[in-house]
Amino acid sequence: IAGITQAPTSQILAAGRRMTLRCTQDMRHNAMYWYRQDLGLGLRLIHYSNTAGTTGKGEVPDGYSVSRANTDDFPLTLASAVPSQTSVYFCASSPRGWKTDTQYFGPGTRLTVL
Amino acid sequence: GNSVTQMEGPVTLSEEAFLTINCTYTATGYPSLFWYVQYPGEGLQLLLKATKADDKGSNKGFEATYRKETTSFHLEKGSVQVSDSAVYFCALSQGGGADGLTFGKGTHLIIQP
Repeated sequence: IAGITQAPTSQILAAGRRMTLRCTQDMRHNAMYWYRQDLGLGLRLIHYSNTAGTTGKGEVPDGYSVSRANTDDFPLTLASAVPSQTSVYFCASSPRGWKTDTQYFGPGTRLTVL
Repeated sequence: GNSVTQMEGPVTLSEEAFLTINCTYTATGYPSLFWYVQYPGEGLQLLLKATKADDKGSNKGFEATYRKETTSFHLEKGSVQVSDSAVYFCALSQGGGADGLTFGKGTHLIIQP
């Protein structure tokens, strides 16, 4: 099935725990992104990767890290979760990262930090 | 920096009504403009886009025209259906990297039979 998959679908996590959200795409897109969606705030960019082996910080990177070891996978790690990281997380990809590109979104991971 | 402003709603309309969701933006240069739609429990999907001034994007009866003079990209549909109920996001892109997509806060649209 072509597209982006994310795992887990949802998770409840104790504060202070480490958590990795997984994202895999099979479209051979160069660029990948992580966003968080919060009510009343829209979506905000956490981290991005223009191509395998490179990553960069978005608007709200604090408390999150990413890696891009290959084209397909772009995991997001919360080293020590805090309640303010309760959110819905979306992974996205685009063919080249150009401004004309459509971004393709995964189904999201709903994370609750208690 | 870049920003997108859109009416937040909820916007409630009756079936077959005319829809307008306003979107204005602030950006340097010549961004691409997008409307994404999010149905309940799902991720976002592209509805339409326009990549240069005066371009009109259209899809599924929805239209939006890139107006550089008014920095706007208003979404319109002539006759809405119950199935159009969703959250609509206006967004702009200056390219990849740290710009990613800059989103508006989303407009929740509710269509009543």
